[in-house]
Order: sequence, then C-alpha cells, then structure tokens
Amino acid sequence: ETGVTQTPRHLVMGMTNKKSLKCEQHLGHNAMYWYKQSAKKPLELMFVYNFKEQTENNSVPSRFSPECPNSSHLFLHLHTLQPEDSALYLCASSLGGSIDNGYTFGSGTRLTVV
Amino acid sequence: DQQVKQNSPSLSVQEGRISILNCDYTNSMFDYFLWYKKYPAEGPTFLISISSIKDKNEDGRFTVFLNKSAKHLSLHIVPSQPGDSAVYFCAASLLTGANNLFFGTGTRLTVIP
Repeated sequence: ETGVTQTPRHLVMGMTNKKSLKCEQHLGHNAMYWYKQSAKKPLELMFVYNFKEQTENNSVPSRFSPECPNSSHLFLHLHTLQPEDSALYLCASSLGGSIDNGYTFGSGTRLTVV
Repeated sequence: DQQVKQNSPSLSVQEGRISILNCDYTNSMFDYFLWYKKYPAEGPTFLISISSIKDKNEDGRFTVFLNKSAKHLSLHIVPSQPGDSAVYFCAASLLTGANNLFFGTGTRLTVIP
C-alpha cells in the first residue's frame, strides 16, 4: 500500500477512555507530523518527528502523547480528552523535512469526544 | 494570531471560467508557499508551490502568483472544471528553522457545470 494510511477513520471516545491513533507511511519518508484541524480553524501543527526523534512539540497538552517507533509509523495516544479536542487529526510525512513538494497527508481520523 | 489568511470561505465559478483563490500572510520571513486541495473524507493533497524568489509558477491549468510587497498570493485555475470542486488551503513555510507549514482556513471552491 502506498501513501500515508491512518486508522481508524472515525473514533468516538468518552472523556475517561484511552485510545490511540495510528499512522503508517511506505514512501521512504523520514519525517512525520501530527496536525489537528478544528472547525473553521487552520490546520495546527502538533508534533514533528525527524528520524524517529521528536523535534517539535507545539505546546500540545499532555493528554496527547505521540510515539514514533520507526520512520514508517507514528502513533498519537489519547487519554482523558475534553470535548473541545474533537477534531480531524491528520498525519503527514515528508522526505528529510523538505517541503519542496509539500507534505503527503493521510485521510485523517475524525475524533469525537463525548 | 493567524499568520496565513484566506478571507473567502467559499467561491462559486462556472465551468470553463477562471477561478481565483486568494491568500494573505503577515510574516515577511515566509519564503516558500504551497497550495493544497482537499476533497471530503480525504487528506489534503499537494497542488503547486512557489519560492519567494519567483513571482509566478505554472503547472498546467494551475498558476500561483506571489506578490511579496503585498504579502499576497493567489491561485488561478483556468479553465475550471467540476472536478476542481474542493477546499483549497494556502500554506507558508520558513525554509530555515523547525519543520512547520502554516495553513490558512481554506476556501471551498464549487465549479458549476
């Protein structure tokens, strides 16, 4: 499978639940990103990983915990979320952090916190 | 404070006519700009980009214009086709520093057959 794959596509969770979002890419990219898209807001960068090392945490609350076990996989662990965390969570990847051809995005996980 | 702005949330254009999507930015340090296209239930896909050393970049029906003095860029689609109906995001980047794309809120383009 090519491109960036995100699972699940949709997730409904209670505020006391723990869940994880998964992202996988087979493009040979070595930088991966989590973005959040809330209604009527621009995409917001959450985390950046370069060669499995976290290089940016954009002031994200600790209830979001990223994990990057290798250059092809990225997880976002969620716990004790709030209803305002409901959003579309997008994973992206790029080659060596280069943006010349932009990032390749997954289709996203639509998260609803109830 | 939003550094990349797309002030038109929506735009409707007749098939065959030109679509012009606009984007403004506030940070004069941005030196690379991109347009993404997003269909429902899909992630954004890269469309076209432009470096700050250029004022125009063309790829088929898509042309991006950059006016650095006005901190403004635009995407022209001509001729517009119904398949172009999507949300278009403008993004800007600092080539140096942390990997980050600053996105606008998007403009929903509807091309009417």
